[in-house]
Amino acid sequence: NAGVTQTPKFQVLKTGQSMTLQCAQDMNHEYMSWYRQDPGMGLRLIHYSVGAGITDQGEVPNGYNVSRSTTEDFPLRLLSAAPSQTSVYFCATSRLGGNTEAFFGQGTRLTVV
Amino acid sequence: DQQVKQNSPSLSVQEGRISILNCDYTNSMFDYFLWYKKYPAEGPTFLISISSIKDKNEDGRFTVFLNKSAKHLSLHIVPSQPGDSAVYFCAASDGGSQGNLIFGKGTKLSVKP
Repeated sequence: NAGVTQTPKFQVLKTGQSMTLQCAQDMNHEYMSWYRQDPGMGLRLIHYSVGAGITDQGEVPNGYNVSRSTTEDFPLRLLSAAPSQTSVYFCATSRLGGNTEAFFGQGTRLTVV
Repeated sequence: DQQVKQNSPSLSVQEGRISILNCDYTNSMFDYFLWYKKYPAEGPTFLISISSIKDKNEDGRFTVFLNKSAKHLSLHIVPSQPGDSAVYFCAASDGGSQGNLIFGKGTKLSVKP
């Protein structure tokens, strides 16, 4: 039982390149989300999904796209990477219903040069 | 404007003593609060939570207290152990079906032997 799996763990991109951060869960959770963590900023919500085919924006969505074609997968796409997107990215899942804890992946450390 | 505030970036405590981490919030719609623990190069892991209908929740060495009138919660760790050294994030949810969490900036706890 892997829980929440993120790939890759590390990535270096050049400005303007595109890439997809992968997130897969085997917990059968409806809710999935992406956060970024920057020094002194805590975790900020980028995008989230309450089920297959449904996505919505969080606090800092600009520069990122998401899709949810299956319950298990929730990839995060950077269409044209910028140095401001250098961060650690975390995927999280939870059951729907509000009062429930979220389970996080190990994170992807992304550097844009 | 920060809705969840952790005003102490760091805290140092002697092994065996009590650690008290504080968190304030501004949104009166928040009705579920969580504490997460994060080690370097790992994802946040859920520690303990409390619903707004309670004022205390205890789990082993960890106790969370909620003061709704003051919009304040605290995490007590007794006794503190060196393995508790980590960054602690306070998070809040408005209980909506999406389950989005708003995080504070975190407090780095160091427990010295």
